[in-house]
Amino acid sequence: KNQVEQSPQSLIILEGKNCTLQCNYTVSPFSNLRWYKQDTGRGPVSLTIMTFSENTKSNGRYTATLDADTKQSSLHITASQLSDSASYICVVSGSNDYKLSFGAGTTVTVRA
Amino acid sequence: EPEVTQTPSHQVTQMGQEVILRCVPISNHLYFYWYRQILGQKVEFLVSFYNNEISEKSEIFDDQFSVERPDGSNFTLKIRSTKLEDSAMYFCASSVGPGQGSYEQYFGPGTRLTVT
Repeated sequence: KNQVEQSPQSLIILEGKNCTLQCNYTVSPFSNLRWYKQDTGRGPVSLTIMTFSENTKSNGRYTATLDADTKQSSLHITASQLSDSASYICVVSGSNDYKLSFGAGTTVTVRA
Repeated sequence: EPEVTQTPSHQVTQMGQEVILRCVPISNHLYFYWYRQILGQKVEFLVSFYNNEISEKSEIFDDQFSVERPDGSNFTLKIRSTKLEDSAMYFCASSVGPGQGSYEQYFGPGTRLTVT
């Protein structure tokens, strides 16, 4: 069964600090990995999409990395802002189907 | 910027009743999806729809569920006889191309369904 595991489950950081979120997956064959930001009560918003051949991709202060050999990804948030408080979800797509497999998310709380 | 819209934002229904959740995908998108998220749990795939037919569905999407694109702009999810465990946030999404092609999926704001 395709699995996407994220860690930590939650974290609290001070405004201006950096943090890194982890994602491990077992989806195979692999097509792409996405990171989404989900504010409470809202739909997920895409931050990055990476395919098998991509190792890193940035979107502003968000930088995602992918190691397709070890099936691991990370999302690094630089110089966090209060508006970064949200759930960050790792989502993996297999190459054989249309559906996305979602992780449970990491809840990030940024405090002033 | 174009966006996916969903109506209603909140639907309360009694167990056993039929509900229809409505979505208007982004106009040039060809692939449509429904997901659900039970409170405190992960987002779960329900169904994908392309070229006026279901392209994939999960084990959650049983005979109680159906989808339709009735008029070329709306995309609906019908639950025939709601159960308490259907209470969740339902998200519609759309994309230009299929998920395995790395096309971005744009999510709507969701409909919160409460079954009493």
